[in-house]
Amino acid sequence: IAGITQAPTSQILAAGRRMTLRCTQDMRHNAMYWYRQDLGLGLRLIHYSNTAGTTGKGEVPDGYSVSRANTDDFPLTLASAVPSQTSVYFCASSAEPNTQYFGPGTRLTVL
Amino acid sequence: GQNIDQPTEMTATEGAIVQINCTYQTSGFNGLFWYQQHAGEAPTFLSYNVLDGLEEKGRFSSFLSRSKGYSYLLLKELQMKDSASYLCAVTDSNYQLIWGAGTKLIIKP
Repeated sequence: IAGITQAPTSQILAAGRRMTLRCTQDMRHNAMYWYRQDLGLGLRLIHYSNTAGTTGKGEVPDGYSVSRANTDDFPLTLASAVPSQTSVYFCASSAEPNTQYFGPGTRLTVL
Repeated sequence: GQNIDQPTEMTATEGAIVQINCTYQTSGFNGLFWYQQHAGEAPTFLSYNVLDGLEEKGRFSSFLSRSKGYSYLLLKELQMKDSASYLCAVTDSNYQLIWGAGTKLIIKP
């Protein structure tokens, strides 16, 4: 692996289902982030983690949870998906507080 | 509140020069980033300014005026591959990135 990977690439999900988006980085960055990107709204921060074992809420955290058990992994969970969570989700990492590097994104559709 | 403003869309001609402006109002300032994002892809880092002035990197330059809360990205010798969205982002006093909605740049032959 070089950089950040995300899985799945895309997913169609029924409303009410639980879903975990995976994110892994191999750059040993302390900080990691989850964003959603919707047309015309730009990137909005969902949750972040400044270091393993700690997490924080961003601008739009409701309906999402994260964990940071180790440096490399930062999964994002939707406990009960709703159609308004249809979006493109990007994971990013940085050697806090510098440049953020982004994963390829997950395109999620909730029906 | 915190706010980043940039034009929604711009059009330019191949081979020309284009300037994309960004104005910001944030609680504190710890640097300004420009990212490029091609359609369907992830944002990629272009430039970082923390001091006033111009930073040049090949065909791309970025300018910052902290007193005016203003930055611009200058793209020279435009190529068709420069068609993309350009995102301005500011690091606030808590070292959180505040993002603009992005400027979609359309390059015409």
